[in-house]
Amino acid sequence: SQQGEEDPQALSIQEGENATMNCSYKTSINNLQWYRQNSGRGLVHLILIRSNEREKHSGRLRVTLDTSKKSSSLLITASRAADTASYFCATDPFGGHAGNMLTFGGGTRLMVKP
Amino acid sequence: DAGVTQSPTHLIKTRGQQVTLRCSPKSGHDTVSWYQQALGQGPQFIFQYYEEEERQRGNFPDRFSGHQFPNYSSELNVNALLLGDSALYLCASSPGFPSGSNEQFFGPGTRLTVL
Repeated sequence: SQQGEEDPQALSIQEGENATMNCSYKTSINNLQWYRQNSGRGLVHLILIRSNEREKHSGRLRVTLDTSKKSSSLLITASRAADTASYFCATDPFGGHAGNMLTFGGGTRLMVKP
Repeated sequence: DAGVTQSPTHLIKTRGQQVTLRCSPKSGHDTVSWYQQALGQGPQFIFQYYEEEERQRGNFPDRFSGHQFPNYSSELNVNALLLGDSALYLCASSPGFPSGSNEQFFGPGTRLTVL
C-alpha cells in the first residue's frame, strides 16, 4: 500500500512558470524525500526534509513540510522543458541507519511545454 | 565512480517460472533495498539487505526472496511468477554506518514482463 498521495496526479505548464506539487501522508515520519523519474527509468533523489524542518531549498526547488497536517509541497521555480518527469514523495518512518524503508506516493506527472 | 547497476535491463518470463534479478550498489554503500513499481504507480518497498541479512520487509509474499553477497551486491528472486508481477524492479543503495544518510541512489531498473 502507498502512504503518500500526490496532488495533482498530472500537471501541464508552460516553460518559465512555477510548478507546485503536494503530498499527503498518514503516519509519523522521520523524514520526507522527493524523487524525480524520467520515463519509467530509475529515480533521482532531489531533496530530503526532516520532521523538525519546515522548509528547505535546493537550487530551483523549494520543499515545505507541515507535520501537523501531514503534508509537504514541492515547488519548482522557473520551470524548463527538461523538468518534464514524474515526481514522487517518499516517507521514511525511522531515519538514521535503521531507515530507508521508503513509502512512495503515486506521483505527479509534470509536463513543461516549451 | 559507477552508480547503482542492475541486470538484466529487460526480461520476459511466463507464468509459473522463476526469475533472478541482480544489483550492484554504488561504491561505498552497504545497504541495498528493492522496490517494485507497477505501471503508472509509485514504487513499493519489497525488502532491504544489510550485512547479508534481510533487515526490513514490505508487504510481499514469500515468493519474493533475496540475498546479499559479501561484496554488498544483491539478488532478488521471484518464484512462481504471476501476471501481476510484471513491473519495473528497482534497486537502491545507501551508505551505511556511521553515515546513516537516508538519501537512496537508484539503479535504472529491470523491466519484467510475465506472459
